[in-house]
Amino acid sequence: AQKVTQAQTEISVVEKEDVTLDCVYETRDTTYYLFWYKQPPSGELVFLIRRNSFDEQNEISGRYSWNFQKSTSSFNFTITASQVVDSAVYFCALTSGYALNFGKGTSLLVTP
Amino acid sequence: SAVISQKPSRDICQRGTSLTIQCQVDSQVTMMFWYRQQPGQSLTLIATANQGSEATYESGFVIDKFPISRPNLTFSTLTVSNMSPEDSSIYLCSVGAQGSEQYFGPGTRLTVT
Repeated sequence: AQKVTQAQTEISVVEKEDVTLDCVYETRDTTYYLFWYKQPPSGELVFLIRRNSFDEQNEISGRYSWNFQKSTSSFNFTITASQVVDSAVYFCALTSGYALNFGKGTSLLVTP
Repeated sequence: SAVISQKPSRDICQRGTSLTIQCQVDSQVTMMFWYRQQPGQSLTLIATANQGSEATYESGFVIDKFPISRPNLTFSTLTVSNMSPEDSSIYLCSVGAQGSEQYFGPGTRLTVT
């Protein structure tokens, strides 16, 4: 069975601070896919990134960056120079097929 | 990416009644998924709906409680039957291909009194 662990339940930072959200996963499959989603207070789920198990290159998109390390089964997400609009719940997810297995989410609060 | 709409966006229902949630996609898709998000919790997959076949339910979810229809490649419904307060959740449908990102509808916020 697959499992995603997001150990940080809540994180609070002051605007412009950098923050890293941790994601550790478990799977026996050699081919799998990892995702991050953002759920702002409005409730919709916003897709942020997808990574397959054969691509360990880090990715940067604006203030967002992702660090995928198979050796530690981690797929961490860093927000640089956080902004109030980054306040949301962030979910890490894993699949080897169709259905996504979600972690419990990390609630990020960015205060001015 | 697909554009997904859900109806209703929210509802307040009496215990013992049933509610049918509709999910409409702007393009034809093979697989549709129904998730439940209980208050303050993560998303849990209820079932996978493939057009032309019976839905596949995850452990802990049964067809009698959550019947699903998938009449065509752009539409699906989820019914929450004989509701109790424990069914108060956000219900989300999503679409996606194998190994690909899933796109989610805006969700249906259900409160059972």
